Amino acid sequence: QVTLRESGPALVKPTQTLTLTCTFSGFSLSTSGMCVTWIRQPPGKALEWLARIDWDDDKYYSTSLKTRLTISKDTSKNQVVLTMTNMDPVDTATYYCARSLGGKADYWGQGTLVTVSS
Amino acid sequence: QSVLTQPPSVSGAPGQRVTISCTGSSSNIGANYDVHWYQQLPGTAPKLLIYGDSNRPSGVPDRFSGSKSGTSASLAITGLQDEDEADYYCQSYDSSLSGSEVFGGGTKLTVL
Repeated sequence: QVTLRESGPALVKPTQTLTLTCTFSGFSLSTSGMCVTWIRQPPGKALEWLARIDWDDDKYYSTSLKTRLTISKDTSKNQVVLTMTNMDPVDTATYYCARSLGGKADYWGQGTLVTVSS
Repeated sequence: QSVLTQPPSVSGAPGQRVTISCTGSSSNIGANYDVHWYQQLPGTAPKLLIYGDSNRPSGVPDRFSGSKSGTSASLAITGLQDEDEADYYCQSYDSSLSGSEVFGGGTKLTVL
């Protein structure tokens, strides 16, 4: 059974760095083809693809957010970490992690709402 | 403004058929990259509905189908049911964006 769970602060201040952790089970990120993707959704708005890390440690970032994002993995802990620097109120959103295979996100976490406010 | 364009809303009566379009360009759908579709019920995480243009994951009713032609893809829902009322998103890869995937702007389906 594949499960993913996002964790991190519910509230961050403007200019701070956000660190989110995706803890998963039911698959290994060392298996060829496996990937974990981060996606976010501002309240009432559309999904936005953020970043992906592959089983071979290749990393891909949203072109518009590339300078602010870092994705990493700890295969032994079954965790993927996303950091986003210089947070702004427009970054207020529900952040999801998902398992990706062949580009499709087939299992999603429940999401974690992050509010950016002073 | 997403590189994949979806209509903001569609509607249909129970039992009817509706389609949702996803229009891209030569750097994504037109380059024959896979299109995936997700259903997001109110207050829940998105769920994979269609993958690889037209494939249904196990458990997805065959009322849902996907297709692709040229620079566009479509999601069709037949025999519309009340529980189909949700937001629907398309997703594909875009070669002009340094290896990143993109989502459409989403379509709200209302069952009348």
